[in-house]
Amino acid sequence: GAVVSQHPSRVICKSGTSVKIECRSLDFQATTMFWYRQFPKQSLMLMATSNEGSKATYEQGVEKDKFLINHASLTLSTLTVTSAHPEDSSFYICSARSGGGGTEAFFGQGTRLTVV
Amino acid sequence: GQQLNQSPQSMFIQEGEDVSMNCTSSSIFNTWLWYKQEPGEGPVLLIALYKAGELTSNGRLTAQFGITRKDSFLNISASIPSDVGIYFCAGQTKGSNYKLTFGKGTLLTVNP
Repeated sequence: GAVVSQHPSRVICKSGTSVKIECRSLDFQATTMFWYRQFPKQSLMLMATSNEGSKATYEQGVEKDKFLINHASLTLSTLTVTSAHPEDSSFYICSARSGGGGTEAFFGQGTRLTVV
Repeated sequence: GQQLNQSPQSMFIQEGEDVSMNCTSSSIFNTWLWYKQEPGEGPVLLIALYKAGELTSNGRLTAQFGITRKDSFLNISASIPSDVGIYFCAGQTKGSNYKLTFGKGTLLTVNP
């Protein structure tokens, strides 16, 4: 299957700082990328959808100024958590789908963010 | 918004047993997907279903897309310890920009 690489896998940052998470599709061009947040023992919550070259579409309740998403190329999307607070600590996961007929999305390994 | 009811929430079984889990929805989906997630990892796609009534296998895994398009099940035969993890169903509708709606997951524990 298609490979999606997410980096870093773990990050610890201080309150007030910003953290950038990268999501790369390694062997296909991702026309659409999705960013999720997952709390312990819970399902994945969609934060935003990004299409290459256009602004991300955020889900209701997700602050676009806090969670900056950039999808500048067909193989890379980034999520920047700005002015992080302890309540932003979570598991963040990206997924990517190629264009064409296939609708399935492939997930990255996830990033465990801890804000201290 | 759309919601998926996934059951059971958790299962504790003996190695070698068969497992069945399912998802139901109040609305129709055009695609059903089943994922497995292990601790600290992202979900891995197991099976994708595109047509109502479709029955698809992937090794010991079998999944079906319900005729009504409002449900799907996943069976695992002859379970082994490495089947341990959380299994998620996900549904997708046309015109949704390929967004997925996830079930709450089924935690599977296999006792050797």
